[in-house]
Amino acid sequence: TQLLEQSPQFLSIQEGENLTVYCNSSSVFSSLQWYRQEPGEGPVLLVTVVTGGEVKKLKRLTFQFGDARKDSSLHITAAQPGDTGLYLCAGSWVKTSGSRLTFGEGTQLTVNP
Amino acid sequence: ETGVTQSPTHLIKTRGQQVTLRCSSQSGHNTVSWYQQALGQGPQFIFQYYREEENGRGNFPPRFSGLQFPNYSSELNVNALELDDSALYLCASSERTGITEAFFGQGTRLTVV
Repeated sequence: TQLLEQSPQFLSIQEGENLTVYCNSSSVFSSLQWYRQEPGEGPVLLVTVVTGGEVKKLKRLTFQFGDARKDSSLHITAAQPGDTGLYLCAGSWVKTSGSRLTFGEGTQLTVNP
Repeated sequence: ETGVTQSPTHLIKTRGQQVTLRCSSQSGHNTVSWYQQALGQGPQFIFQYYREEENGRGNFPPRFSGLQFPNYSSELNVNALELDDSALYLCASSERTGITEAFFGQGTRLTVV
């Protein structure tokens, strides 16, 4: 069974602080996505990373894929209340069928004004 | 907005009943995947349909079944509902199988009483 561990599970910070969320597996990913989910809504795709060592930036969000493609991180700079939500990483492995995703448990982020 | 629509948005059923959930995929997408998301957890892969055929299945019993139609819309059917089936059911469409980026609908909240 391919597992994807996400940490921390909960994070409550003040507006303006920085934070990092981690996503780890013992298996090599073929690709990894980060999603953000609001209550009662479906996950919204933020980014896809496919190359080991890859770094992608989306405004104040920085996504990094580990060199060995077994881990990833999401860093948010100067968090704002609008960043509040559930952040999910989802991996796809070489041996599984194309768009089948395995999700982590998620990180519930709360940014307080 | 992803262009993936699900119906109904909310549903209450009694244990033992059957339910059908519907999904219209994004235009041009021929692959549909279904996920179950229990409260406080990440989505779990149920199965995927590609060109009207099942193309991969997660660890769910046979009472979870699906269909994909020629226009690539899809249904998820669950028979003999159990209390633990209460969850948010998410449909995700992809441009084709082998593409890992998935675009999710808003989900159907199923409550089994």
